Amino acid sequence: AQSVTQLGSHVSVSEGALVLLRCNYSSSVPPYLFWYVQYPNQGLQLLLKYTSAATLVKGINGFEAEFKKSETSFHLTKPSAHMSDAAEYFCAVSPPQTGANNLFFGTGTRLTVIP
Amino acid sequence: GAGVSQSPSNKVTEKGKDVELRCDPISGHTALYWYRQSLGQGLEFLIYFQGNSAPDKSGLPSDRFSAERTGGSVSTLTIQRTQQEDSAVYLCASSLGTSGNEQFFGPGTRLTVL
Repeated sequence: AQSVTQLGSHVSVSEGALVLLRCNYSSSVPPYLFWYVQYPNQGLQLLLKYTSAATLVKGINGFEAEFKKSETSFHLTKPSAHMSDAAEYFCAVSPPQTGANNLFFGTGTRLTVIP
Repeated sequence: GAGVSQSPSNKVTEKGKDVELRCDPISGHTALYWYRQSLGQGLEFLIYFQGNSAPDKSGLPSDRFSAERTGGSVSTLTIQRTQQEDSAVYLCASSLGTSGNEQFFGPGTRLTVL
């Protein structure tokens, strides 16, 4: 079975500080992994995804994530937080088998950026 | 181009009534998904359509929930005899069918069951 765990339902950082949002997955085989962002009163938007190519994945808005098989992790980082990064972030996993493309989401992490 | 659209954006209904939620996927996307986002349960997968294959209904919480996808495009999620615990935001997404492709999400339908 596929699942993801996001440690920390709320994370607060100061503007300009490092952003680190944690995600660990549980899967019998390396899955596809995604980070989505949801801004207030908006739909989900893809930040980045890992699909067994490069382990360091760069996404939009300066975010990146590194797939670490040994740690079963896919943590999201950004070197310097902006006020506009305040949102809820969801890690998701999809099984790699052909035809099975539904996503299993973590519980989300709400990021607050303090001016 | 147009993204995924959903209607209505908000729906308030009384307990026991049936509701229909509509999703228009991105043109050319063969895969369509329904998810539910609620305070207590987070984001849950409900059902997945891929081309002409039988849908994956493994996420539907009860037999009161059903969905159809007509002509490989528009989808309708139907909830019969609604209960208060059905109150949530229902999200639709579509993608090119290949596993690992980005899913594009609609704005959702907020369902409130009184």
